[in-house]
Amino acid sequence: NAGVTQTPKFRILKIGQSMTLQCTQDMNHNYMYWYRQDPGMGLKLIYYSVGAGITDKGEVPNGYNVSRSTTEDFPLRLELAAPSQTSVYFCASSLRVTGANVLTFGAGSRLTVL
Amino acid sequence: GNSVTQMEGPVTLSEEAFLTINCTYTATGYPSLFWYVQYPGEGLQLLLKATKADDKGSNKGFEATYRKETTSFHLEKGSVQVSDSAVYFCALTDQNFGNEKLTFGTGTRLTIIP
Repeated sequence: NAGVTQTPKFRILKIGQSMTLQCTQDMNHNYMYWYRQDPGMGLKLIYYSVGAGITDKGEVPNGYNVSRSTTEDFPLRLELAAPSQTSVYFCASSLRVTGANVLTFGAGSRLTVL
Repeated sequence: GNSVTQMEGPVTLSEEAFLTINCTYTATGYPSLFWYVQYPGEGLQLLLKATKADDKGSNKGFEATYRKETTSFHLEKGSVQVSDSAVYFCALTDQNFGNEKLTFGTGTRLTIIP
């Protein structure tokens, strides 16, 4: 069972370049999320989606875009990369049920912007 | 807004020592509380959770009790092993968004020495 798959695992970008981080889940989860993890800062929510065709901003959405055309896929687009976007990015998904919402995370994508 | 404050790391213990990692929170309403663990090179995974006051979550020898009176959810283990070396995150759900999103603490890195 693959769970949440992220690609690429590592990437180096130059300032001003663009790229897309891919995220796919095979658990038929309706909710998907993108977080960034900076040293000593915990995880910050970038964008999330409650279902195909629906996305919403999190705490730190500036400089990013997302789309959710299918239940399985939730790509994160970086336009005009900046050094401040150097971080580890985690995609996560969950199945919305009553009670606590438990997230399943991917292994992460480490991005460096030089 | 909601926030989670965790014990500063890193924490280094000898094998079989007793572990406590402190976590306190600020939230409106009645959040659900979580501990997630991140092993080296991996994404986060759920360790345990509690959904209401006085609930105790437990897993793999770890325990945490939801204390509403002290707004705390401290993680404990009676005898740690080298394999417990990881980064531990305390988190809560944001009730204002119907449980869709998690707010994370900054994480506590734990290293267990043989």
